[in-house]
Amino acid sequence: EAAVTQSPRNKVAVTGGKVTLSCNQTNNHNNMYWYRQDTGHGLRLIHYSYGAGSTEKGDIPDGYKASRPSQENFSLILELATPSQTSVYFCASGDGLGANTGQLYFGEGSKLTVL
Amino acid sequence: GEKVEQHESTLSVREGDSAVINCTYTDTASSYFPWYKQEAGKSLHFVIDIRSNVDRKQSQRLTVLLDKKAKRFSLHITATQPEDSAIYFCAASNGGYKVVFGSGTRLLVSP
Repeated sequence: EAAVTQSPRNKVAVTGGKVTLSCNQTNNHNNMYWYRQDTGHGLRLIHYSYGAGSTEKGDIPDGYKASRPSQENFSLILELATPSQTSVYFCASGDGLGANTGQLYFGEGSKLTVL
Repeated sequence: GEKVEQHESTLSVREGDSAVINCTYTDTASSYFPWYKQEAGKSLHFVIDIRSNVDRKQSQRLTVLLDKKAKRFSLHITATQPEDSAIYFCAASNGGYKVVFGSGTRLLVSP
């Protein structure tokens, strides 16, 4: 069974503070993703990675950084959190190989509230 | 970039009826179209997918249809059950790493 673990599961931050959301996968998948889920917008892609050391911008990267130090770990960093970043964040790993997009396996989500 | 539009935000059906959720996409290079299900308060999990080399795929009560000319794909659920109630997301990928999701359709199956 694919396993993607996110931490923290719930976080309350202050405006201007730094927030790091962490994701760990034990699937040995090359591809990892960060999405945010907001009512009316569905899932929007923030950053993704196709291997250790790589990070790529998704559709809404502004205000976010990403880090992929290893195959297993992919972090999302909010250097200066703003209330508009209040959302539920999902990490996923993907079993695609090269240009063949595969199934995504999602973590349980991280609920972030920025006051 | 790719945009995926999910046309029904909410769909209500009676148990035993069929449900159809429709999506359209913009990128003609998209070749992979998965569907994910999110039950209340939970994460998303994969339910079915289709690739552009076929126009129909069935898995038990689920069928996905793909119309490449119209850039449209749809999820058909037959003999709906209460446990089918969830938010369903369609997505598209052009064969690269990026997977773009629609805004979700909330399916309510009432007894």
